[in-house]
Amino acid sequence: SAVISQKPSRDICQRGTSLTIQCQVDSQVTMMFWYRQQPGQSLTLIATANQGSEATYESGFVIDKFPISRPNLTFSTLTVSNMSPEDSSIYLCSVDGQGTYEQYFGPGTRLTVT
Amino acid sequence: GENVEQHPSTLSVQEGDSAVIKCTYSDSASNYFPWYKQELGKRPQLIIDIRSNVGEKKDQRIAVTLNKTAKHFSLHITETQPEDSAVYFCAAITNDYKLSFGAGTTVTVRA
Repeated sequence: SAVISQKPSRDICQRGTSLTIQCQVDSQVTMMFWYRQQPGQSLTLIATANQGSEATYESGFVIDKFPISRPNLTFSTLTVSNMSPEDSSIYLCSVDGQGTYEQYFGPGTRLTVT
Repeated sequence: GENVEQHPSTLSVQEGDSAVIKCTYSDSASNYFPWYKQELGKRPQLIIDIRSNVGEKKDQRIAVTLNKTAKHFSLHITETQPEDSAVYFCAAITNDYKLSFGAGTTVTVRA
C-alpha cells in the first residue's frame, strides 16, 4: 500500500486562528478523503478531496470552515479555520488502494485548540 | 446515508479465548465491509475486509462473515493474544467510496 504522511503530527493553537494540515502520498491515488476523530470517538468523514475541482463536503461540514485543496494526485491540504476548542480532534487523511475500495489512513494530526 | 451500528462497545476476553464483534448496516447498496484496528495513538489499520458477493473470509486468526439478507457482518478473532487489545471499527462503503464507520469496540485481552 501507499506510504502516507501528514504534517504537522500535532499542534496546539489559539482559538480564532487557522491551521493547515498537509497530506502527502508517495504514489498517485484516485481518491483522497479527510476524516475527523474526536477524542474517544469514531471516525467521521469531512469531505472528499477532488483533484482539480472543489471538494465534496459531508453534511455538517462546510467549505468556509474546512477549505480543502488537491492540486495533484499525491497531495492535499485541509485547513481548519477560525478554530474553537470544539475543533480539538485528530484529523486524518485517507487514500484508496489503487482504484480498489480499500482505504489506508495517514498517521493523523492531533489538534488542540486552547 | 449509510448508518452502521456496532456492538458491543467494550469486550474483555481471557487470552486464548475468542472475540466476536457484530455490526449492522442500513443501506442495501453497500457492497464492501472493512474492519480497522486502532491501537492507542496510532492510525486505523485495515486488517480484513469482505465484499458483498462473499459470505466469509479468513486470514489466520481473523475471520469476517457477512449476511446480506440481514444486513449484518461480524469479526471473529480466535486464540486472542495481548497484542489484539485495541479499538476495532467496522465500516461500510457504497459505490461512492465513502466509508461509514461504526462506533468502535474496545477489546481488552486479559493475560
